[in-house]
Amino acid sequence: DTAVSQTPKYLVTQMGNDKSIKCEQNLGHDTMYWYKQDSKKFLKIMFSYNNKELIINETVPNRFSPKSPDKAHLNLHINSLELGDSAVYFCASSPLDVGGNYGYTFGSGTRLTVV
Amino acid sequence: DAKTTQPNSMESNEEEPVHLPCNHSTISGTDYIHWYRQLPSQGPEYVIHGLTSNVNNRMASLAIAEDRKSSTLILHRATLRDAAVYYCILRDRGSTLGRLYFGRGTQLTVWP
Repeated sequence: DTAVSQTPKYLVTQMGNDKSIKCEQNLGHDTMYWYKQDSKKFLKIMFSYNNKELIINETVPNRFSPKSPDKAHLNLHINSLELGDSAVYFCASSPLDVGGNYGYTFGSGTRLTVV
Repeated sequence: DAKTTQPNSMESNEEEPVHLPCNHSTISGTDYIHWYRQLPSQGPEYVIHGLTSNVNNRMASLAIAEDRKSSTLILHRATLRDAAVYYCILRDRGSTLGRLYFGRGTQLTVWP
């Protein structure tokens, strides 16, 4: 059983389109995250949700809208896609991490290419 | 979160031990030291973490200096599958919810 699963694995789309990436975790974790890895391989946090509530929004354009229908799912919707949005997007989850004493589990990533 | 410094790259031969260093001279008393790795075309994978004492798990060992200003991730017998980018990250024990700030990490190459 995959602990954190993302779909789709690859996504190629044209500029201006709207697309969604889905993430599900079956670990019973309270907190889920979206990270972005750009072409230079830097990994940066975008959002964090705890039990369906938005906790962290790291200066991400409002074209990106996360949605958490329940604590096992965190989807990422992107409006009006731009070339610069091309990257690999990783979903992750963890228990409620009140002190840094837990490891995070990452999904295998969604490679988004905007043409 | 405090900053860490790691070598850009390291190499090892298969079945030899690997010691991956990390400097964190500005670490605070409340920071956990976390290690993750990222294999090619995969998401980051949790390896190990610790606060003050050395830690062991099935994947690796973490040796923490007495002054906590540096740490070393030890892979006891490197395999080809261990070739990855290894990230050393400080997590503030006092912060409520998790940001992991990834640096450039160390690219480990394992030769057969």
